[in-house]
Amino acid sequence: QVHLVQSGAEVKRPGASVKISCTATGFTFTNFYMHWLRQAPGQGPEWIGIINPNGGKATYAEKLQGRVTMTSDTSTSTIYMDLNNLRSEDTAMYYCARPHRGGTNAFDVWGQGTMVTVSP
Amino acid sequence: DIQMTQTPSTLSASVGDRVTLSCRASQSIGSRLAWYQQRPGEAPKLLIYQATTLESGVPSRFSGSGSGTEFTLAISSLQPDDFATYYCQQYNGYFPWTFGQGTKVEFK
Repeated sequence: QVHLVQSGAEVKRPGASVKISCTATGFTFTNFYMHWLRQAPGQGPEWIGIINPNGGKATYAEKLQGRVTMTSDTSTSTIYMDLNNLRSEDTAMYYCARPHRGGTNAFDVWGQGTMVTVSP
Repeated sequence: DIQMTQTPSTLSASVGDRVTLSCRASQSIGSRLAWYQQRPGEAPKLLIYQATTLESGVPSRFSGSGSGTEFTLAISSLQPDDFATYYCQQYNGYFPWTFGQGTKVEFK
């Protein structure tokens, strides 16, 4: 079974950092560029960035440049997203996702989500 | 960035109704559009990709149409499981790939 399993919910103070993990099972992790997205309450999903698990090259959304870092560990089929200097507007459900197995760039596999709450 | 606009924001319907949801892109995206269904507390689920291709395992009552800037998701006969929020997403070339704000399908 193809799954993406994410780490648990986080509550952080403004200015703090958070690191979320996403572990892939049931498919060859290194065959896919992996994505991170987030979804604020009542909003549509927002694309955050993409990482090539082979080598770790990443591209980030312009609005998060300088605050977000994505890394990978091929030995455990896990990707990580680190977001620093947290603000209240970073409160959201964060998802990792895989692009479609057929080669198109729709997301056919999603993690279960990690809720990040930023509150004083 | 390419803006995706979905209409209506809320749609009230009954079981058995045929419903159509619209999505407009701020510039042409060819057929590089996906539709997702999201139920409360769950991750989005892929329904349609490349504007018209039904994802494996998705019931055939769902269909997608359109190209360029205008797209439609149709549900031929609404079932109880279909009451959810639907999002369109473009993946045309350059990042960021963007989503619409969603259409919530609710019981009339």
